[in-house]
Amino acid sequence: QLVLTQSPSASASLGASVKLTCTLSSGHSSYAIAWHQQQPEKGPRYLMKLNSDGSHSKGDGIPDRFSGSSSGAERYLTISSLQSEDEADYYCQTWGTGIPVVFGGGTKLTVL
Amino acid sequence: QVQLVQSGAEVKKPGASVKVSCKASGYTFTGYYMHWVRQAPGQGLEWMGWINPNSGGTNYAQKFQGRVTMTRDTSISTAYMELSRLRSDDTAVYYCARDGGHCSSTSCYPDYWGQGTLVTVSS
Repeated sequence: QLVLTQSPSASASLGASVKLTCTLSSGHSSYAIAWHQQQPEKGPRYLMKLNSDGSHSKGDGIPDRFSGSSSGAERYLTISSLQSEDEADYYCQTWGTGIPVVFGGGTKLTVL
Repeated sequence: QVQLVQSGAEVKKPGASVKVSCKASGYTFTGYYMHWVRQAPGQGLEWMGWINPNSGGTNYAQKFQGRVTMTRDTSISTAYMELSRLRSDDTAVYYCARDGGHCSSTSCYPDYWGQGTLVTVSS
């Protein structure tokens, strides 16, 4: 079964960097994913598509501070030079043949 | 620029139906699949299905099959999502979201999102 696992919460200081993790279920380590950001009281925003080899393509207007990387079944979103507006929920999402679209549970990022 | 503008908030009684619209602009409407995703209060994102605006073909999540109908009107670049037999646990914000392409085995993800429509189901 295709499942994405995310830690419920993370925190980091203003100006620092943070690395969020999304883990693909067993047997699905080659899958690409997408990252989406949802700021408080707003709709989601697409950040990037991230492939299993770590290559990624970002959405329109996404700052260079946002980057992606991969290792095995893990997919990462790194945000550098954290700003207050980066405080948000971050969702990973993937797709499969039986289940077209799957979302992870989301990680709530707090900027201290 | 790509814009997806959704219809306003709705309040419905249990057992009723709701139809949410999503007007697209800034791109060729028939060139990109459209997803519908919902978010219950305080919860995560839940995918409901997609529609191919060119053909009208659909793919619904198993959970919603039999209750959801996705349609489109290409003359006004608008997609619709209708959910029937509403229950209290259908209370959520419903989003339309354009797919990055044609939702294939290599790529199926939203790249632009609407602002959301709150649907409240209450007696």
